[in-house]
Amino acid sequence: QVQLVQSGAEVKKPGASVRVACKASRYTFTNYAIHWVRQAPGQWLEWMGWINAGNGNTKYSQNFKGRVTLSRDTSAGAAYMELSGLVSEDTAVYYCARGWDLKRNYYYYGMDVWGQGTTVIVSS
Amino acid sequence: SYELTQPPSVSVSPGQTASITCSGDRLGDKYVFWYQQRPGQSPVLVIYQGSKRPSEIPERFSGSNSGNTATLTISGTQAMDEAEYYCQAWDSSLIIFGGGTNLTVL
Repeated sequence: QVQLVQSGAEVKKPGASVRVACKASRYTFTNYAIHWVRQAPGQWLEWMGWINAGNGNTKYSQNFKGRVTLSRDTSAGAAYMELSGLVSEDTAVYYCARGWDLKRNYYYYGMDVWGQGTTVIVSS
Repeated sequence: SYELTQPPSVSVSPGQTASITCSGDRLGDKYVFWYQQRPGQSPVLVIYQGSKRPSEIPERFSGSNSGNTATLTISGTQAMDEAEYYCQAWDSSLIIFGGGTNLTVL
């Protein structure tokens, strides 16, 4: 079945950057958008941004004030999320999720397939 | 900025009907999506476009959306339905999540 597999857990020091990978399988990667969502311990889901896996266009939540960068490698069928200037409050599970069919309007779609999550711990 | 409001918790007895609400300004004009998240697991889409159910989701899950409120209804609630539930909508090209509702089946 359609699957998103994420890279492993990371431990980072404050001020560092982290890059999380999300590899897609069993669907045409460039036909869909990818969202990134994070969840701090015991907290709610927080949307970070999306990337159009076809043309690379991106949209970010203002909550991250330019600290997040989304990219993709179409040859690898993978999306990446890089978060810079890490602080302890960035400790969370980071998820990628498949978004909309790029041939259709985005507002018809939610997130139908999720990765397993990547734990990022920020600690000195 | 657009906000979605959910009750923090809802309790239901097994076999009864659970209703979880999600409120937002003119939410009925938008498509609403609902996710179930069990502890330690990734979210799962249970309702899309307000009232449609993915094929793998049990028929006891249903959704509605009108005015300022969307509702996720679980009929004949089972113990396995105990989870956190999140609503989601689009605000222009941005994604908005509700704060989540913890459903307890007791």
